Amino acid sequence: QQQVKQSPQSLIVQKGGISIINCAYENTAFDYFPWYQQFPGKGPALLIAIRPDVSEKKEGRFTISFNKSAKQFSLHIMDSQPGDSATYFCAAYASGAGSYQLTFGKGTKLSVIP
Amino acid sequence: DSGVTQTPKHLITATGQRVTLRCSPRSGDLSVYWYQQSLDQGLQFLIQYYNGEERAKGNILERFSAQQFPDLHSELNLSSLELGDSALYFCASSAVAPNNSPLHFGNGTRLTVT
Repeated sequence: QQQVKQSPQSLIVQKGGISIINCAYENTAFDYFPWYQQFPGKGPALLIAIRPDVSEKKEGRFTISFNKSAKQFSLHIMDSQPGDSATYFCAAYASGAGSYQLTFGKGTKLSVIP
Repeated sequence: DSGVTQTPKHLITATGQRVTLRCSPRSGDLSVYWYQQSLDQGLQFLIQYYNGEERAKGNILERFSAQQFPDLHSELNLSSLELGDSALYFCASSAVAPNNSPLHFGNGTRLTVT
């Protein structure tokens, strides 16, 4: 059972453009939503995270938008650069679940072309 | 460098064999997680240990087992290997819970079953 649905599977964006990746979840117990970035040959690394008490969080060119009622959240990469080319995973976590399990989306492969 | 060390980096073995993957968490991290990454399934949570005790189980097959030792390193044992077990296996560690301290991933072990 996939609890976090991520789209699109792949994305091609021109340099300087905006990259948008969307995720939707079903479990209303989720209360922490991180995004991870993975480069080829490396493990995923935490990029940015949000909690449901805020609707938006910005760190540099990266912004998470969160819609609690729709159970959706998205990652926006402004002024996308070739160095942003990587696979991005959204994830969700339920702090009251009794375990420390992060549930990941299936990933979005982003290619930023010059 | 995440501080999480996984060995070996690559492993090629035959069907029916048994292998052991090793993970050393970041200094001070008590939680260790194992994830399987395949092209079509994304990051699948296998199992989590906290300070030597199993804390959560995900989609881990009965042929797979893991443990965390007193020095906090962890091993993932995969037995009776099948072609479908070929994947990247990631270990991650965190200080406590993922919503209070991020997961730090190693660079993975690529397992190829022939």
